[in-house]
Amino acid sequence: EVQLVESGGGLVQPGGSLRLSCEASGFTFSSYWMHWVRQAPGKGLVWVSRINSDGSSRSYADSVKGRFTISRDNAKTMLYLQMNSLRAEDTAVYYCAREIRISGSTKPAFDIWGQGTMVTVAS
Amino acid sequence: EIVLTQSPGTLSLSPGERATLSCRASQSVDSTYLAWYQQKPGQAPRLLIYGASIRATGIPDRFSGSGSGTDFTLTISRLEPEDFAVYYCQQYDISPLYTFGQGTKLEIK
Repeated sequence: EVQLVESGGGLVQPGGSLRLSCEASGFTFSSYWMHWVRQAPGKGLVWVSRINSDGSSRSYADSVKGRFTISRDNAKTMLYLQMNSLRAEDTAVYYCAREIRISGSTKPAFDIWGQGTMVTVAS
Repeated sequence: EIVLTQSPGTLSLSPGERATLSCRASQSVDSTYLAWYQQKPGQAPRLLIYGASIRATGIPDRFSGSGSGTDFTLTISRLEPEDFAVYYCQQYDISPLYTFGQGTKLEIK
């Protein structure tokens, strides 16, 4: 079964750090671009970050640039999001998501999502 | 930055009816880069449509997508009870790379 399982969320104080993990299974992880998308309570979806299949290219939303770092370990089929200098506005459910591949090429849509992990930034 | 505006904010319909959801972009969007998602309470989003009109794997054919330029539409031909959810459109551009609309809530009338 194709699956993504996030972990690492929790309560952290403003200015603190947290590392999210996403374990992939059921597909060739090393072939796919991967993303983090977040959703604040009662709000819509916001894209956070992307990493290409071999980890050589990373992109970030302006709101997290310089504070968050996306990485991956293809041997362990793991995706990570290191979050530093956390702010109250970073409070959200964080989803990892797979970018769809059709006929060997990526398309900018997310076909597999994890169940999400909640991050709460509060004192 | 391309802004996606979805309408209506809430749509109240009955099972068996046809639903038409709109997604309007502030600038022209390559239709290859337009997708639709369904999200139910407490669940992750589910990809319905990509490339503006291509159904994702396993999506029933009552879901269809259309449009080009700045106007895109998701149509559900005959609503089933499980279709009542929030729907998001999403596009890909240079910066920011990926943006979502604010969502349309489809509720039972």
